[in-house]
Amino acid sequence: NAGVTQTPKFRVLKTGQSMTLLCAQDMNHEYMYWYRQDPGMGLRLIHYSVGEGTTAKGEVPDGYNVSRLKKQNFLLGLESAAPSQTSVYFCASSAGGGLVGSPRFFGPGTRLTVL
Amino acid sequence: GESVGLHLPTLSVQEGDNSIINCAYSNSASDYFIWYKQESGKGPQFIIDIRSNMDKRQGQRVTVLLNKTVKHLSLQIAATQPGDSAVYFCASLSNTGKLIFGQGTTLQVKP
Repeated sequence: NAGVTQTPKFRVLKTGQSMTLLCAQDMNHEYMYWYRQDPGMGLRLIHYSVGEGTTAKGEVPDGYNVSRLKKQNFLLGLESAAPSQTSVYFCASSAGGGLVGSPRFFGPGTRLTVL
Repeated sequence: GESVGLHLPTLSVQEGDNSIINCAYSNSASDYFIWYKQESGKGPQFIIDIRSNMDKRQGQRVTVLLNKTVKHLSLQIAATQPGDSAVYFCASLSNTGKLIFGQGTTLQVKP
């Protein structure tokens, strides 16, 4: 099993550009999450999904959109990137039936820089 | 607002010694706690969890202790190894379903 994978690993954007981060998991997990990690801030939840076709806002959703068209994939979109979105982005997943807010497996991260 | 904080940003221990990483949380309604390990350049890795109806839970070489009276939990690592060098986060889940992460303690293992 590959676990949780993320693409791309690194990306540099200019202000105003758009991009999509892809997360995939092969564990048949119901719950998926997108976090951002910034120095001194800890991990913060952007959006999450409790199943295929569902999404919900987390702690810091502004400027991001998500989609979960397939159970194994969770996409994070930035429509108009801003320097404040420079961060490391982590996708995570966990099995259904448990506590929604408790991610079990994390991906390796995407380092995004917005100039 | 809710917060989770670790007592020390950095902890340095000798290889073979036991390590204790401490964490404090502010929300007395928190009922579930998780410890994660994050190695440099990698994503967080689940280590161990504990529910509020327990005060101790043991895993392989790790023990988590929960003191609800003073809203404190700790992660104990037995016989610390070089591979344990990483940043350790605690996180608390409140009854509203919100998971709050602490900022992390860097564990350095000296050979």
